[in-house]
Amino acid sequence: SQQGEEDPQALSIQEGENATMNCSYKTSINNLQWYRQNSGRGLVHLILIRSNEREKHSGRLRVTLDTSKKSSSLLITASRAADTASYFCATDSNDYKLSFGAGTTVTVRA
Amino acid sequence: KAGVTQTPRYLIKTRGQQVTLSCSPISGHRSVSWYQQTPGQGLQFLFEYFSETQRNKGNFPGRFSGRQFSNSRSEMNVSTLELGDSALYLCASSPGLASFHEQYFGPGTRLTVT
Repeated sequence: SQQGEEDPQALSIQEGENATMNCSYKTSINNLQWYRQNSGRGLVHLILIRSNEREKHSGRLRVTLDTSKKSSSLLITASRAADTASYFCATDSNDYKLSFGAGTTVTVRA
Repeated sequence: KAGVTQTPRYLIKTRGQQVTLSCSPISGHRSVSWYQQTPGQGLQFLFEYFSETQRNKGNFPGRFSGRQFSNSRSEMNVSTLELGDSALYLCASSPGLASFHEQYFGPGTRLTVT
């Protein structure tokens, strides 16, 4: 089974709104990464957050990590049509294998 | 820098055949990972190579194998193809172990097994 699971499975928002998705995982991690995949650009790395970090920002993206709850969230602020994509969290485990969740599909409506 | 390249981009094979996919990482990257992506199972980790050594392997049968060359280029091989092997195979490179570094993905090889 997958280490990380995203929630919700799908999200539809209006352009300009914020989008939040969550990732829960089962075993302790060293790092957690978020990726985006759309048909035009393939899989692209967004943010890597280490287990000793609680929050990271990159442009309009904000990632939080709560290791006590084994969960992470990705917030996209002021969404744009170009943010329409699937978003995946990837977690490692003690043996450093990376495991991707099933993803959250985000649709940004004009 | 040139991105990760994968060849071929599309492939159609028959059950029972074997296939070899190739991946050229970003210059200077020493880690190459392979993933299988299907609508049903999502993105699944196949294996990771670092400096020509397999560092990790996912839960796939022995029909799936790979290797990495001294120039960091990598190949993966699938023998005795099954219909269920139809998938998008993605290669990713990173400067160090994928667990600790951002990965750069190639466009993938779309394999169809008939």
